Amino acid sequence: NAGVTQTPKFQVLKTGQSMTLQCAQDMNHNSMYWYRQDPGMGLRLIYYSASEGTTDKGEVPNGYNVSRLNKREFSLRLESAAPSQTSVYFCASSGLGTGAHQPQHFGDGTRLSIL
Amino acid sequence: AQKITQTQPGMFVQEKEAVTLDCTYDTSDQSYGLFWYKQPSSGEMIFLIYQGSYDEQNATEGRYSLNFQKARKSANLVISASQLGDSAMYFCAMNRWHTGNQFYFGTGTSLTVIP
Repeated sequence: NAGVTQTPKFQVLKTGQSMTLQCAQDMNHNSMYWYRQDPGMGLRLIYYSASEGTTDKGEVPNGYNVSRLNKREFSLRLESAAPSQTSVYFCASSGLGTGAHQPQHFGDGTRLSIL
Repeated sequence: AQKITQTQPGMFVQEKEAVTLDCTYDTSDQSYGLFWYKQPSSGEMIFLIYQGSYDEQNATEGRYSLNFQKARKSANLVISASQLGDSAMYFCAMNRWHTGNQFYFGTGTSLTVIP
């Protein structure tokens, strides 16, 4: 059971470089999310996609763009990396059905360092 | 504004004892979901337990139970018979459907189990 797969697991970038973090889920979930986690600050939502074809800004969207490529895949792009974007990035997915609220399932995270 | 508050940055518990991790939430919605996640030092986010706002009974999952007090807007996690492997960060989260299936996370509580 793969669940949520993030690539890469680690990345070092220089200031100004661009990169895309990839995320794919195989649970047929409608909703997908990107978070960043910094020490002492918990998880902060960058962007989310409630369903295929929609994306919305979260709490800290500046400096990022996203693409919901299809139901399975949701990518996060840093166009011009800055040291303030050094963080651990988590992708998550969740079902959106009737009845009970569904938990989020998380990928293993990407540790990103911007020099 | 929807908000999750975890007021205990760090907690210690003796092995085999029970411990309660506090969580309060703020929402005007009638329907919402409350979740607890565990994040060990290895970094992955592990779903522990879920409570729906309409559930009349407190949720239980093995050694985990959720003490849900709707009028006080609290959703405390109780871990019984603590084990060394319970040492981790614990995050409380709330889910709302009305804003695109968003999840709101607290800042977490670091639990250390003492042998």
